[in-house]
Amino acid sequence: GESVGLHLPTLSVQEGDNSIINCAYSNSASDYFIWYKQESGKGPQFIIDIRSNMDKRQGQRVTVLLNKTVKHLSLQIAATQPGDSAVYFCAEIRDKVIFGPGTSLSVIP
Amino acid sequence: DTEVTQTPKHLVMGMTNKKSLKCEQHMGHRAMYWYKQKAKKPPELMFVYSYEKLSINESVPSRFSPECPNSSLLNLHLHALQPEDSALYLCASSQDTPGAFYNEQFFGPGTRLTVL
Repeated sequence: GESVGLHLPTLSVQEGDNSIINCAYSNSASDYFIWYKQESGKGPQFIIDIRSNMDKRQGQRVTVLLNKTVKHLSLQIAATQPGDSAVYFCAEIRDKVIFGPGTSLSVIP
Repeated sequence: DTEVTQTPKHLVMGMTNKKSLKCEQHMGHRAMYWYKQKAKKPPELMFVYSYEKLSINESVPSRFSPECPNSSLLNLHLHALQPEDSALYLCASSQDTPGAFYNEQFFGPGTRLTVL
């Protein structure tokens, strides 16, 4: 079946290092992707998005890379901070939104 | 105001109870959503309202009944729930053009529901 998944369910990173969170998707027809951050006790929060006609998009400290050839999406967080600790979901958009299983990021002070 | 509010924050109910979850936004968004999220799992779409009309029902059991009384409010009426319905229920809203899902969704903090 179709799915959006992540290679690593948990990730621990030293404060100040860069983080990379990966996501695989299976439907080549998907044309829009979003990364969400969900902190404990809160709803998901939009971080960054990318359309299928792009392969890279940068925000403040975050970069999303899209490789359509291998159906892979990644979120890079530069200079990871304790406030980045959260669960990160990739979401695949077609006629609806499908969330990936999530990666829990822990930042070690 | 870029906030989606949800009440109550926590809810405990028995299987014979009737309760309602409420969601409100004042961003002028015309698309509103209900999601269910189990622990350590991603959100699962339940319902989508577009311009106060139900546009998507993801085969949700009838014991969950959504209602959109106006463009700012979204309710989820609960009746005869099962213990497996215990979860975090998230509300979200977004612009509706060019297509609801192609816009940033703003999520509320959720209602933590426990069914005994």
